[in-house]
Amino acid sequence: EAQVTQNPRYLITVTGKKLTVTCSQNMNHEYMSWYRQDPGLGLRQIYYSMNVEVTDKGDVPEGYKVSRKEKRNFPLILESPSPNQTSLYFCASSFYSTYNEQFFGPGTRLTVL
Amino acid sequence: SQQGEEDPQALSIQEGENATMNCSYKTSINNLQWYRQNSGRGLVHLILIRSNEREKHSGRLRVTLDTSKKSSSLLITASRAADTASYFCATDSGGNDMRFGAGTRLTVKP
Repeated sequence: EAQVTQNPRYLITVTGKKLTVTCSQNMNHEYMSWYRQDPGLGLRQIYYSMNVEVTDKGDVPEGYKVSRKEKRNFPLILESPSPNQTSLYFCASSFYSTYNEQFFGPGTRLTVL
Repeated sequence: SQQGEEDPQALSIQEGENATMNCSYKTSINNLQWYRQNSGRGLVHLILIRSNEREKHSGRLRVTLDTSKKSSSLLITASRAADTASYFCATDSGGNDMRFGAGTRLTVKP
């Protein structure tokens, strides 16, 4: 089944404790992206990647890191999480770029205490 | 910063009625996409319209695009309770980044 998977789905952590949210797609898509969703603000793009080893900042990259060492994986790293990073996070992928429809993962609900 | 802004923020209708949602954006675009999200779940792609297109249909969905007014509308005809969800427009302005609006929350009462 073609899909985007994220892990974990739920995470409660404390300020400053490094964490990684994994994202994987099995559709051989070149474009991958991370978003955060907060009430009243819709989705805001954190980082995106056009292909392996190519990443770029979205609208809200501060406090986040990403890497794209393999085509199928695009992990999101929070080196020192803070409470304002409490949010619902989505990973998405598309065949080539934003020119195509994006397929979204199920979301990761992160709480930073 | 957000590019698209949906209007209204919330819409409540009876089953069988039509639902219209609007999206306005600020800069020129390559394409505009509409997505649907059931409560807290991942977004599902509904329809994509290119900047050189004016109207597209998909089942009960009709999307229009007016680039001169920088606006788009999503019409859902003969709505069903299962259409209850949030609807988002997303724009691509050619920079490989996507911008979403804050969404319209649609409630369809049986």
